[in-house]
Amino acid sequence: SQKIEQNSEALNIQEGKTATLTCNYTNYSPAYLQWYRQDPGRGPVFLLLIRENEKEKRKERLKVTFDTTLKQSLFHITASQPADSATYLCALDDNAGNMLTFGGGTRLMVKP
Amino acid sequence: GAVVSQHPSRVICKSGTSVKIECRSLDFQATTMFWYRQFPKQSLMLMATSNEGSKATYEQGVEKDKFLINHASLTLSTLTVTSAHPEDSSFYICSASDSGPWGNQPQHFGDGTRLSIL
Repeated sequence: SQKIEQNSEALNIQEGKTATLTCNYTNYSPAYLQWYRQDPGRGPVFLLLIRENEKEKRKERLKVTFDTTLKQSLFHITASQPADSATYLCALDDNAGNMLTFGGGTRLMVKP
Repeated sequence: GAVVSQHPSRVICKSGTSVKIECRSLDFQATTMFWYRQFPKQSLMLMATSNEGSKATYEQGVEKDKFLINHASLTLSTLTVTSAHPEDSSFYICSASDSGPWGNQPQHFGDGTRLSIL
């Protein structure tokens, strides 16, 4: 069966450190992978999109990698700040590009 | 740009009431909008895909007569939860893309509607 797995346990890190979140998938062949941020009681906000032929994508303090052999994406936040505390969701397309399926999300807590 | 407005943000009502939720794309046209449901500490579960001018496509296990979707214009989709019961209580979120439903485009989400049925 198809699965998108994100660590369901909260990730606690100290301010200034790099946060690394993992998204693993099975029985998918996504052409695209997206990362979103969701704050409590709010809708998700788009952060980054990476294509299957891209190994890495960066945006300011954010970096995403996409390894189609390992079927894994890593999401990094460098120089983390308390304001980065939120739940981060990865999402895959259905390879036909018609819809996204979301992982369960990982809650990140950055402590001052 | 690419703002999606969802209204109302919170509804509390009695069992048996029908509730309508609106999703509007404010500064772009959305031929396709998506409706999700999210339980506490769980991910978004796609309920249906709303297509402007045609019938919505429902995911397996979602009752189309229970969750009525109307996408009457390129900027508005509505979800009506008919005869709502306590088990329908959840967080409902809509999203839209300004370039079709493709996975290579970001989805723009509304801020969700917290539905509580007493």
